[in-house]
Amino acid sequence: GAVVSQHPSWVICKSGTSVKIECRSLDFQATTMFWYRQFPKQSLMLMATSNEGSKATYEQGVEKDKFLINHASLTLSTLTVTSAHPEDSSFYICSAPTGREKLFFGSGTQLSVL
Amino acid sequence: DAKTTQPTSMDCAEGRAANLPCNHSTISGNEYVYWYRQIHSQGPQYIIHGLKNNETNEMASLIITEDRKSSTLILPHATLRDTAVYYCIVRVAFNNNDMRFGAGTRLTVKP
Repeated sequence: GAVVSQHPSWVICKSGTSVKIECRSLDFQATTMFWYRQFPKQSLMLMATSNEGSKATYEQGVEKDKFLINHASLTLSTLTVTSAHPEDSSFYICSAPTGREKLFFGSGTQLSVL
Repeated sequence: DAKTTQPTSMDCAEGRAANLPCNHSTISGNEYVYWYRQIHSQGPQYIIHGLKNNETNEMASLIITEDRKSSTLILPHATLRDTAVYYCIVRVAFNNNDMRFGAGTRLTVKP
């Protein structure tokens, strides 16, 4: 079945640094990918839609300069958390639709900002 | 606004069937019903989806009412490993539409 690979699984960084998270579709092409954020004991919140070859679309309240998204190829989207602060600590998850009915998720990235 | 309503939590005895309900009274004709589950600190795992017919796979069965306003996910023989948060989502399947999550149901399978 279709697989979405997300890397790294967890990352710890110092406040003020930037962190990049990668999301890859392994056996299908994804012109669109979605990025979610999840705080403890809460549901997944859609942050942005990544579009191959064009700008990402951000949900209301999500700072596009803070969360940089690049969809450089049909199998790779990246989310960069710039100038990270402790309040950015969260579980970040990507997903990709197959273009048919199914949509698959990555395993998630736990970000801890010290 | 949430498009689905699920109970906050449910318990189930190990080995028994777990029946998880979901209300989606405003579902559109072209929206599918999807079920995913999330085990702590992991990405959501696809379980099953359907449009209007009942569906069954190796993991679960999905029963959709005739008016499509509600559905039930059935795990026929729950195990401790099925303890997770279960999300019921309605979504237009094609055109790379996004998927938005409600609060889900926290299912606890007890020995």
